[in-house]
Amino acid sequence: EAQLVESGGGLVQPGGSLRLSCVASGFTFSNYGMSWVRQAPGKGLEWVSDISTSGGGTYYADSVKGRFTISRDNSKNTLLLQMNSLRAEDTAVYYCAKARSWPPLYDQWGQGTLVTVSS
Amino acid sequence: EIVLTQSPATLSLSPGERATLSCRASQSVSRYLGWYQQKQGQAPRLLIYDASNRATGIPARFSGSGSGTDFTLTISSLEPEDFAVYYCQQRSNWPLTFGPGTKVDIK
Repeated sequence: EAQLVESGGGLVQPGGSLRLSCVASGFTFSNYGMSWVRQAPGKGLEWVSDISTSGGGTYYADSVKGRFTISRDNSKNTLLLQMNSLRAEDTAVYYCAKARSWPPLYDQWGQGTLVTVSS
Repeated sequence: EIVLTQSPATLSLSPGERATLSCRASQSVSRYLGWYQQKQGQAPRLLIYDASNRATGIPARFSGSGSGTDFTLTISSLEPEDFAVYYCQQRSNWPLTFGPGTKVDIK
């Protein structure tokens, strides 16, 4: 059974950095595009970033472009999100998600990791 | 950017009733639209992909229809576990976008 486990969330000050990780199991990680989707407290879902199977194709929401970097290590079945210059509006639960198609819809989701940006 | 609008914002129904949820796109997304269910405190779950295909393990009471700009998710007879928030998402073009959600609650 496919499983995605995120880690790395926490409290960070505005302007700070954080790196999220997502470890995948139960499927051939290198065969699937992967993504980050976030959800601010009490709000709806917001797409953040996608990465292709090889990592050669990356896509970002305008709200994070230039500040966030998505990457993957297929040898370690791991998806990463480096978040710099964090703002209060980046506060959200960040979900790692597996693409079932490309461009993606997401057929597997992690449990999410909470990022709080506050002084 | 393709904007998705969902209606109604809230749908109050009783178990056993039929639920009809709408998602409208600001421009054509062909059939590249999916539906998710999210329960409180849980990650979303894919119900329908590419307008009308049920995802693995999804009960037959969930069905999707539509193409272009107008889409519908139908739950034929609500079970107690179906009361949740439902989101549509388009995969026609980046940036990918989600609708604001429809909450189905118990009347």
